[in-house]
Amino acid sequence: NAGVTQTPKFQVLKTGQSMTLQCAQDMNHNSMYWYRQDPGMGLRLIYYSASEGTTDKGEVPNGYNVSRLNKREFSLRLESAAPSQTSVYFCASSSEGQGNTEAFFGQGTRLTVV
Amino acid sequence: GNSVTQMEGPVTLSEEAFLTINCTYTATGYPSLFWYVQYPGEGLQLLLKATKADDKGSNKGFEATYRKETTSFHLEKGSVQVSDSAVYFCALSDLTSYGKLTFGQGTILTVHP
Repeated sequence: NAGVTQTPKFQVLKTGQSMTLQCAQDMNHNSMYWYRQDPGMGLRLIYYSASEGTTDKGEVPNGYNVSRLNKREFSLRLESAAPSQTSVYFCASSSEGQGNTEAFFGQGTRLTVV
Repeated sequence: GNSVTQMEGPVTLSEEAFLTINCTYTATGYPSLFWYVQYPGEGLQLLLKATKADDKGSNKGFEATYRKETTSFHLEKGSVQVSDSAVYFCALSDLTSYGKLTFGQGTILTVHP
């Protein structure tokens, strides 16, 4: 049972380069999320998708775009990477998008922008 | 808006010591409260949760009680082990948020033999 799978695990980009972080879940969950983790700041929501076909901004969406490709896949794109986007990125999913359901997380992507 | 505040870390303990990590929150309505744990090199996983006032969540010897009067959800364990070394996150979500989580800053716990 794979759960939530993210690729790649590590990436180094030069300022101005673009890349897409991939995320897939095999739990038939409706809701999916992208968070970034920075030291001393916990995790902050970048974008989320409450259901297939919908996406919405979270707390820190600037510089990012997302695509909910189908129910399983939710990708995060950096169009022009900046050093401020150096972070660890986590994808997560949950079953019904209600406040009391557990979120399942991928193992993360460590991104460095130089 | 919603917010979560955790005690500042890191926390260093000897094996079999008592653990408390404080967590307080601000939210409109009646949120659900969670503790997530992140082991080195891994993603977050749910440790325990509570969905209404006075509920106690428990798992693997850890406990936390939802205290609405003090807006708190402190994590406790009576006797920690080296294997409990990890980062602990307090978080909340509410019924209007589509499962979006608001996290505290995280507390690094190191347990020495």
